[in-house]
Amino acid sequence: ETGVTQTPRHLVMGMTNKKSLKCEQHLGHNAMYWYKQSAKKPLELMFVYNFKEQTENNSVPSRFSPECPNSSHLFLHLHTLQPEDSALYLCASSQAGYGYTFGSGTRLTVV
Amino acid sequence: GENVEQHPSTLSVQEGDSAVIKCTYSDSASNYFPWYKQELGKGPQLIIDIRSNVGEKKDQRIAVTLNKTAKHFSLHITETQPEDSAVYFCAASIPQAAGNKLTFGGGTRVLVKP
Repeated sequence: ETGVTQTPRHLVMGMTNKKSLKCEQHLGHNAMYWYKQSAKKPLELMFVYNFKEQTENNSVPSRFSPECPNSSHLFLHLHTLQPEDSALYLCASSQAGYGYTFGSGTRLTVV
Repeated sequence: GENVEQHPSTLSVQEGDSAVIKCTYSDSASNYFPWYKQELGKGPQLIIDIRSNVGEKKDQRIAVTLNKTAKHFSLHITETQPEDSAVYFCAASIPQAAGNKLTFGGGTRVLVKP
């Protein structure tokens, strides 16, 4: 596989559930990102990882917990979400901030 | 932090006409300006980018211009085709020790009418 792969593509979860989103990049990039895209707001940066170290948390609520075990994999662990957290969650990777490549996203619905 | 504004929010053009999308940024330290195209059900895809040492860049029917003095940059699509219909995002990036971070504009929904 090439590029950035995200799974699952769609996810419906209740407010008391725990689920995880997965992202894998096959580009040899050194940085990975989580973005949130909702209807009313532009792309919102959530987390940044450089060489698997978190370098930015953009004031994201603690019900979102990222994990980056290596430079190729990124997870977003979700628990006790709210309906307003329903959105498209996009993963991206880059080489030192250039050539950002996005995955297709996970469409999350919180019920 | 950086702030990027994008206009217009929607743009309808006739097939074959040109489309222009404009963005302004706030931080003069920004040095990298990519443009993304997002089709329905897909993630944004990089279509062209420009760095601050270049004033203009072309790739077939698309071109980007940068005016660092005025802090604005634009995307030009010529001879538009129905497959150009999508949402387009501009972004600006400030160099940081931990690696550049993109700030995105609000997006422009482009509709090309056949």
